Amino acid sequence: NAGVMQNPRHLVRRRGQEARLRCSPMKGHSHVYWYRQLPEEGLKFMVYLQKENIIDESGMPKERFSAEFPKEGPSILRIQQVVRGDSAAYFCASSLVAGAGEQYFGPGTRLTVT
Amino acid sequence: KNEVEQSPQNLTAQEGEFITINCSYSVGISALHWLQQHPGGGIVSLFMLSSGKKKHGRLIATINIQEKHSSLHITASHPRDSAVYICAAPNSGGGADGLTFGKGTHLIIQP
Repeated sequence: NAGVMQNPRHLVRRRGQEARLRCSPMKGHSHVYWYRQLPEEGLKFMVYLQKENIIDESGMPKERFSAEFPKEGPSILRIQQVVRGDSAAYFCASSLVAGAGEQYFGPGTRLTVT
Repeated sequence: KNEVEQSPQNLTAQEGEFITINCSYSVGISALHWLQQHPGGGIVSLFMLSSGKKKHGRLIATINIQEKHSSLHITASHPRDSAVYICAAPNSGGGADGLTFGKGTHLIIQP
């Protein structure tokens, strides 16, 4: 039973380009969370999605960032017109149930903006 | 929104010592998470607990819901335990929630 998959594991983008980060939750999991870890900082919540719905995006920057979790396929975190400050590790996690569900983390995508 | 405080931020100990990391949170929760992260590495979930105590190998986690406090203990610590340990609580207390994280405890176990 594969764990949470994220790709790519490393992504390099030049300023102004778009970054697309993908997250495939564990089989059967319909809850996906995205977190960001800036260099030398702690993890911060970005967004919580269920299939086809954004439940809580209170941690998402208001501009340039968007997330989706379509009926079929992985969840996508999209960053438009990247800037150097977007360089970070982006982790997704998935859980099976609402309520006190354990979250399983993916290996992360390390985004570097040059 | 929950606020999570961890202490200590940094901890260096000798192999074999008993380690305690503390975590407190501000909003009543359904469950608290303890995570482990190695430098440059991924995140491993160690425990999710909603009451009492859980044990896995040399790791023990306890939680006091009334006092909004949890501890992570490592018995007979070993250099391979060196990592960052992070506690996390649901953003608004409920389980179907993103997590708010403590700043992490950087643990170094010296041989």
